[in-house]
Amino acid sequence: DTGVSQNPRHKITKRGQNVTFRCDPISEHNRLYWYRQTLGQGPEFLTYFQNEAQLEKSRLLSDRFSAERPKGSFSTLEIQRTEQGDSAMYLCASSFTASGPQHFGDGTRLSIL
Amino acid sequence: DQQVKQNSPSLSVQEGRISILNCDYTNSMFDYFLWYKKYPAEGPTFLISISSIKDKNEDGRFTVFLNKSAKHLSLHIVPSQPGDSAVYFCAAPQSNSGGSNYKLTFGKGTLLTVNP
Repeated sequence: DTGVSQNPRHKITKRGQNVTFRCDPISEHNRLYWYRQTLGQGPEFLTYFQNEAQLEKSRLLSDRFSAERPKGSFSTLEIQRTEQGDSAMYLCASSFTASGPQHFGDGTRLSIL
Repeated sequence: DQQVKQNSPSLSVQEGRISILNCDYTNSMFDYFLWYKKYPAEGPTFLISISSIKDKNEDGRFTVFLNKSAKHLSLHIVPSQPGDSAVYFCAAPQSNSGGSNYKLTFGKGTLLTVNP
């Protein structure tokens, strides 16, 4: 399988705990994106990497959220001190060029108890 | 503000008939549009795209039409099949100051149900 891979698929945690998600993009893609999707909405942009550089962050990405992409390969998204409102599907996408379509993984569904 | 709007939350059609999914946008700077299909418990899958220099793009059973003056695009599926039942999202990329597309702005999606 050479698509975008996300782990874990599901994460259930208690409010206040920290969580970390991983995304492995398609190998030749140097652009990587994180989105969040809640029920009844389309995906909303969170942040974007070109290689290892984080070039853009949405205002949705509060200071409790941090994303990294060491060495320009896989990426991690960490949420500290989780809140009920963080419950959502977190989607990762990658693309080869800026003009090409973004290809999505199957997401990590986060549930906060 | 919702820059990409899909005003029909759901659509039901009979197998073999045409499905027409609509999308409106407000940002006149958008010059490229994409349609994604999403099955439950899966990520969105890229379906078809169109550049603003065209008014039609076709790929097999899927055709996207763009009306720039009306800021409207539509996805036609002919003939519709039960396996097409999914949520369809319209999306447009925004460019950064360097002119490079990056973030996609999505509509809320339309749930298409194709009945056998």
